[in-house]
Amino acid sequence: GQQLNQSPQSMFIQEGEDVSMNCTSSSIFNTWLWYKQDPGEGPVLLIALYKAGELTSNGRLTAQFGITRKDSFLNISASIPSDVGIYFCAGGGNYGGATNKLIFGTGTLLAVQP
Amino acid sequence: DTEVTQTPKHLVMGMTNKKSLKCEQHMGHRAMYWYKQKAKKPPELMFVYSYEKLSINESVPSRFSPECPNSSLLNLHLHALQPEDSALYLCASRPLDRGDSPLHFGNGTRLTVT
Repeated sequence: GQQLNQSPQSMFIQEGEDVSMNCTSSSIFNTWLWYKQDPGEGPVLLIALYKAGELTSNGRLTAQFGITRKDSFLNISASIPSDVGIYFCAGGGNYGGATNKLIFGTGTLLAVQP
Repeated sequence: DTEVTQTPKHLVMGMTNKKSLKCEQHMGHRAMYWYKQKAKKPPELMFVYSYEKLSINESVPSRFSPECPNSSLLNLHLHALQPEDSALYLCASRPLDRGDSPLHFGNGTRLTVT
């Protein structure tokens, strides 16, 4: 299946550090979403972005919808141990003409050392 | 707790067995999805139902047969699976009154084919 390019693939950081990850595509999306997945569970929505250039925060998380509509960024400030997990970006909208589709990024594994 | 409920949580089946995965949501969402996820990989779209009708089939083998008996239920019937079909199967739903509303995921069924 089709995937978005997400980087970095993994991050190992100290508690309290800030984290940045991004997602890029060769195609335009109308929606960018960021999910977090813990082991044994389904992805949980963190932030949804609907407009190019939009910058949205959810607590310590901030995400931006790129101006070109081909990328998105997620920042986590002052990381804590419970931030551990896999973070996925996802693009949605009129990709390939199928408005119901959501295409996932390759994921970023975050490990936080106390 | 997720509002999308999947049963069973774990399933082990032989290659000649027939089994079904079930998904239920009572949020009034009229789009429901099946995704397949291998370890440390992003979810891959299998099927999408809109208003209880199959709208997307991502060229999934016929040994996987989806069914949407009503607006709250989604089933995935399994028959003659292969060991490589072992994965986490995720159900998701979203409302259709907004073009690109985010997906809400269940916690998945961990399937092992022996």
